[in-house]
Amino acid sequence: QVQLVQSGAEMKKPGASVKVSCKASGYTFRNYYIHWVRQAPGQGPEWMGIINPIGDSTKFAQQFQGRVTMTSDTSTNTVYMELSSLRSEDTAVYYCARNGIAEAPRGWFDPWGQGTLVTVSS
Amino acid sequence: QSVLTQPPSVSGAPGQRVTISCTGSSSNIGAAYDVHWYQQLPETAPKLLIYGNNNRPSGVPDRFSGSKSGTSASLAITGLQADDEADYYCQSYDSSLSGPVFGGGTKVTVL
Repeated sequence: QVQLVQSGAEMKKPGASVKVSCKASGYTFRNYYIHWVRQAPGQGPEWMGIINPIGDSTKFAQQFQGRVTMTSDTSTNTVYMELSSLRSEDTAVYYCARNGIAEAPRGWFDPWGQGTLVTVSS
Repeated sequence: QSVLTQPPSVSGAPGQRVTISCTGSSSNIGAAYDVHWYQQLPETAPKLLIYGNNNRPSGVPDRFSGSKSGTSASLAITGLQADDEADYYCQSYDSSLSGPVFGGGTKVTVL
């Protein structure tokens, strides 16, 4: 079955960076874009950006530009999201999610990874 | 402040029908971009419930249905059951922001 498995919870200090991984299985990795979405406590989801697993082309939400990097490794079917200059407001659960339509950047999100809690605290 | 507006909560008795609205604008739902819906049970990742305005993935009961008109969309749940208690989110695409956008979520409570 199609599955996205993320790395474990992280605790970081303000100003640090965090890198979250998302390993895909059960489908042809190169055929589907991957989104990153975060959800702060008690809030709705917030789209962060998207990566094409082939060639690493990316697009980010404006509020994250300059602070986020997304990469992919086709040899391990894994995508990564790195967020730098962390502040307390970045405390959230970070999800990767596969785009619902093959070979297209726009659509629905299905499935989602299990989520990675990132806590930013001094 | 979410781009798409949803009521914070709705409730209903078992067996009843509830609807959740999702209001957007001319740069997202009103621009004919599709609306998708997700169900999020406590402490779990969101799960796709409706895609392309009114399509159900395999495994989703036909008690769930979606519709769209103008700058708004709706999710209906008929025959409400206890395990429908969850948060529900709508999602679309916004041309001004050049990316996907979500609603703030609606908590469904079964009385």
